[in-house]
Amino acid sequence: GEDVEQSLFLSVREGDSSVINCTYTDSSSTYLYWYKQEPGAGLQLLTYIFSNMDMKQDQRLTVLLNKKDKHLSLRIADTQTGDSAIYFCAEMDTGGFKTIFGAGTRLFVKA
Amino acid sequence: EAGVAQSPRYKIIEKRQSVAFWCNPISGHATLYWYQQILGQGPKLLIQFQNNGVVDDSQLPKDRFSAERLKGVDSTLKIQPAKLEDSAVYLCASSTPGTGEPEAFFGQGTRLTVV
Repeated sequence: GEDVEQSLFLSVREGDSSVINCTYTDSSSTYLYWYKQEPGAGLQLLTYIFSNMDMKQDQRLTVLLNKKDKHLSLRIADTQTGDSAIYFCAEMDTGGFKTIFGAGTRLFVKA
Repeated sequence: EAGVAQSPRYKIIEKRQSVAFWCNPISGHATLYWYQQILGQGPKLLIQFQNNGVVDDSQLPKDRFSAERLKGVDSTLKIQPAKLEDSAVYLCASSTPGTGEPEAFFGQGTRLTVV
């Protein structure tokens, strides 16, 4: 079945770049997403990439997709303390728009 | 544009009691999802509606969980009877498949604690 895996923790210094990695299993995924969740809040869509793209840049965020290896990464440039949160990788299947989430990567940003 | 509304925000019940959650999706969104997010895990899809029909409920524990979406708008999710392991945040989301917009919009969730 479909599965999305992420590392659980990442710690960076303020001003450095953060790279959060994700692997997925469903090769027929149409969209791949990065969501952010702050404590006590719902999920906020950060960015998404269509499966026929290799890269997408949106201000401080860069998403890289390696379809052959089923690997997705999110790079946050100039990481700020406000970026501390849990980041979820997710894939949407081709059929019913079901979104499968990873367990989340908790990003700690040290001042 | 108003977001996805959920209520209540928090609920504490004893095991074997019943509980219901309510969701009002974004106006015009045909697809509505209920997710369960256990602490430390990613959200897990419980049920997906397209208008008022069920598209996927393969991970819904049907012996105790039920959901409905009357008139294809608001939805309720019920747990009866609740177990300790049902403690989680229940997230509702909505989207409009087929319009080219692939985003699902999430509500803030209902945090359920079963004691």
